[in-house]
Amino acid sequence: EAGVAQSPRYKIIEKRQSVAFWCNPISGHATLYWYQQILGQGPKLLIQFQNNGVVDDSQLPKDRFSAERLKGVDSTLKIQPAKLEDSAVYLCASSASRDRGTEAFFGQGTRLTVV
Amino acid sequence: AQSVTQLGSHVSVSEGALVLLRCNYSSSVPPYLFWYVQYPNQGLQLLLKYTTGATLVKGINGFEAEFKKSETSFHLTKPSAHMSDAAEYFCAVSGNTDKLIFGTGTRLQVFP
Repeated sequence: EAGVAQSPRYKIIEKRQSVAFWCNPISGHATLYWYQQILGQGPKLLIQFQNNGVVDDSQLPKDRFSAERLKGVDSTLKIQPAKLEDSAVYLCASSASRDRGTEAFFGQGTRLTVV
Repeated sequence: AQSVTQLGSHVSVSEGALVLLRCNYSSSVPPYLFWYVQYPNQGLQLLLKYTTGATLVKGINGFEAEFKKSETSFHLTKPSAHMSDAAEYFCAVSGNTDKLIFGTGTRLQVFP
C-alpha cells in the first residue's frame, strides 16, 4: 500500500515570496491533516479536511496561509507571502476516519527554509 | 483542553540498556494517548496507542507504554536498546476529537 506522498521534499525561498506544497493521501482516506513542525517543537495542526470540507482551521494563519482539497483527494498548502518564522517542516497526514484513536499516517514532509 | 509534557529533550543510553522516555499529559476528558517515532528525514510512524481497556500497551519494535491515570503519565519503555532505535519520539494526546496534541519530542541516542 502506497503511503502519503508529499512534494517537494525541500524548498528554499526568500521572505515575501510564495510557496506551495502538495500532498497525496493514502487511497480511500477521507481525513487529511496539515501539520507545521518547527525545529525543536512537536507538530502543530494547521488544518484538517474531511473529504473536501474543512473541519478545523483554527490554527491556520489565514492572512498568509491557505489550503484546499478540491476533489477530496490531493491537497495543496500555500504560503503567501512567506516570513522567516515560517521555516519549518510541513507534514501531511491522512486517516481512514475521524474516530478517536484512528491511526494517522504521515508523509515524509516538506522542509521549508525562508531566507 | 489537552496538553503534553515530555521530560528530557535528549536521552542517551548504551546499546542493550533500558530505554525510558517520559510523558505526562493533561486532559479534561478521558484521553487517548499515542507515541510516534520520527527517524531522520522521515515522517512520523505510530509506535503504540492507548484508547481504553488494558493500561499496558505493547507496540512495534519491542516498545511498550503504561497508562497511569493517577500519575497522568504514559511513559515509553523498551528493555534493551538497539542502535536502530535512535530517533525522535513524540507523545501525543487527543481529547473528545481526533485532533492530536503533540509534545515537544525526545531525541534518543544509542551508544555502542
